[in-house]
Amino acid sequence: KAGVTQTPRYLIKTRGQQVTLSCSPISGHRSVSWYQQTPGQGLQFLFEYFSETQRNKGNFPGRFSGRQFSNSRSEMNVSTLELGDSALYLCASSLNRASGKLFFGSGTQLSVL
Amino acid sequence: GESVGLHLPTLSVQEGDNSIINCAYSNSASDYFIWYKQESGKGPQFIIDIRSNMDKRQGQRVTVLLNKTVKHLSLQIAATQPGDSAVYFCAEKAMSNYQLIWGAGTKLIIKP
Repeated sequence: KAGVTQTPRYLIKTRGQQVTLSCSPISGHRSVSWYQQTPGQGLQFLFEYFSETQRNKGNFPGRFSGRQFSNSRSEMNVSTLELGDSALYLCASSLNRASGKLFFGSGTQLSVL
Repeated sequence: GESVGLHLPTLSVQEGDNSIINCAYSNSASDYFIWYKQESGKGPQFIIDIRSNMDKRQGQRVTVLLNKTVKHLSLQIAATQPGDSAVYFCAEKAMSNYQLIWGAGTKLIIKP
């Protein structure tokens, strides 16, 4: 069974631009969560999607948004990029919302110049 | 020994010794606890979990202990190997709202 796939793996953008990151969960997994991680830092929760609906949201500005499609694939968008948005963005999938067993992708490394 | 760096607490352990990584959780309503391991350049990987109706659970070379009285969780790794070098995260979950709360992480360094 294929793991969680995130694309692209690396991304370089300039301030003010917007970016869309993609996540394909493990087949059969319906819950997708997104996290931001900066060097030496922990995991900052962005949002959680289940059945195409956002179920939980972290403390991030409205520039960060996401969505989930009927096939459980998810995208997150960051508009008006700032230098501080440079980070590793991780996507995780799980069978359902009750499961604590998340499967993470390798992440998208975003650099904002 | 254990020290707190600028960002992540770090634990240095001699290869072959046992490692104990500690975690204090915050939510009294949490009833499910999980440990994850993150190696350099990879996403976190599930290690072991424990429900609140248990106080100990063992896996392969790992043991998780839960003390609900003091809201403390620990991960014990037996006979630590170089491949155990990673950042370890604890996470807590309240099944009432499914919110997963992550600890800050502990960096485990193995000394040869």
